Amino acid sequence: LAKTTQPISMDSYEGQEVNITCSHNNIATNDYITWYQQFPSQGPRFIIQGYKTKVTNEVASLFIPADRKSSTLSLPRVSLSDTAVYYCLVGDTPGNTPLVFGKGTRLSVIA
Amino acid sequence: ETGVTQSPTHLIKTRGQQVTLRCSSQSGHNTVSWYQQALGQGPQFIFQYYREEENGRGNFPPRFSGLQFPNYSSELNVNALELDDSALYLCASSLGPGQLLNTGELFFGEGSRLTVL
Repeated sequence: LAKTTQPISMDSYEGQEVNITCSHNNIATNDYITWYQQFPSQGPRFIIQGYKTKVTNEVASLFIPADRKSSTLSLPRVSLSDTAVYYCLVGDTPGNTPLVFGKGTRLSVIA
Repeated sequence: ETGVTQSPTHLIKTRGQQVTLRCSSQSGHNTVSWYQQALGQGPQFIFQYYREEENGRGNFPPRFSGLQFPNYSSELNVNALELDDSALYLCASSLGPGQLLNTGELFFGEGSRLTVL
């Protein structure tokens, strides 16, 4: 399984765009990149998933360069409620390999 | 709301005791994964069940065992509890390999917080 590296913590003011970058140098051809969000005392929640280039949904955007050795989760105009831990995960064909969580990035949004 | 429910939400046990945690998966999901999350850490994969068979296991000792039932609900059993077993135990359901529309997305419950004294 490809290992991921992401910053331990980040701070941001409300209304700013936040970009969290994840490194996954050993990503395999079949691997997808998935991001989850977790609030205290709750289970993680799926945010976005991608394989290459750019993916956007109503919550975030995911940018993946051509070599796929890193990815960037972009949260537009964050609010206080976006304060959470964000996990970057890499895994092969969906459902075949259990996802492995790292320590994640603790995002603190301040007013 | 993910449709995944876990019970109990909180429990306290003493060292050496045994515990059973339960999970009801989201309708249509035939795969259940269990994770252990210690304070300040990311969730650690314990094992996964697919159609009632264990389908992958993390680095946990045999005293961590599980079951998946025909309705795809699941149990996690931990024997001979140790202080380090104190954690939030998370259950996640998902579509299984080969199922249509499967993106691998995990749907987590709220967890069961176990305290071992």
